[in-house]
Amino acid sequence: DAGITQSPRHKVTETGTPVTLRCHQTENHRYMYWYRQDPGHGLRLIHYSYGVKDTDKGEVSDGYSVSRSKTEDFLLTLESATSSQTSVYFCAISESIRGRAYGYTFGSGTRLTVV
Amino acid sequence: GNSVTQMEGPVTLSEEAFLTINCTYTATGYPSLFWYVQYPGEGLQLLLKATKADDKGSNKGFEATYRKETTSFHLEKGSVQVSDSAVYFCALSGVNNNNDMRFGAGTRLTVKP
Repeated sequence: DAGITQSPRHKVTETGTPVTLRCHQTENHRYMYWYRQDPGHGLRLIHYSYGVKDTDKGEVSDGYSVSRSKTEDFLLTLESATSSQTSVYFCAISESIRGRAYGYTFGSGTRLTVV
Repeated sequence: GNSVTQMEGPVTLSEEAFLTINCTYTATGYPSLFWYVQYPGEGLQLLLKATKADDKGSNKGFEATYRKETTSFHLEKGSVQVSDSAVYFCALSGVNNNNDMRFGAGTRLTVKP
């Protein structure tokens, strides 16, 4: 979807190095999310943001941090990458109507390999 | 906690066959329910949704009805095509005014000519 882009699309990194993934949106949506997708687990929420500088943890947040200094950008950082963090990472955005989810728009994903 | 359980795959059908993918949920409150589709190498795309009990979501020949009494949101299509081959995810959100979306594990559908 043209309204949300992730970078990079692919990355190979070494164990112990920091890695930052970027999500950029042009839709001015309030909510942004980072998920990881692994076989047999579907998508699991890592962190999410409900506004600039407002973030919260999801169900698999250990080893990850996020920042949102502008509405349009949501960064995911792996502080010290491990092989268990090899995954496909998806960013999503949503707007909310009267507090209920309108549905998410997903980016195309970042395939991260930690060797 | 809030969760979604969907039928395990993979599912393999012949073209023009009837499709059902089962989805049940556990949630406090009154969630919105969704089906997403993921084609190879792409992100998830919203297929259909329903926001309250007895609502029917529909799109591209797919349908699902929000059944509160059975806590279910089964996906159906009367006649599948090869182009429907993808992974399908059931999801819920909006519980207690929280936008956090929970996904099922996904069901891979392969349609053969």
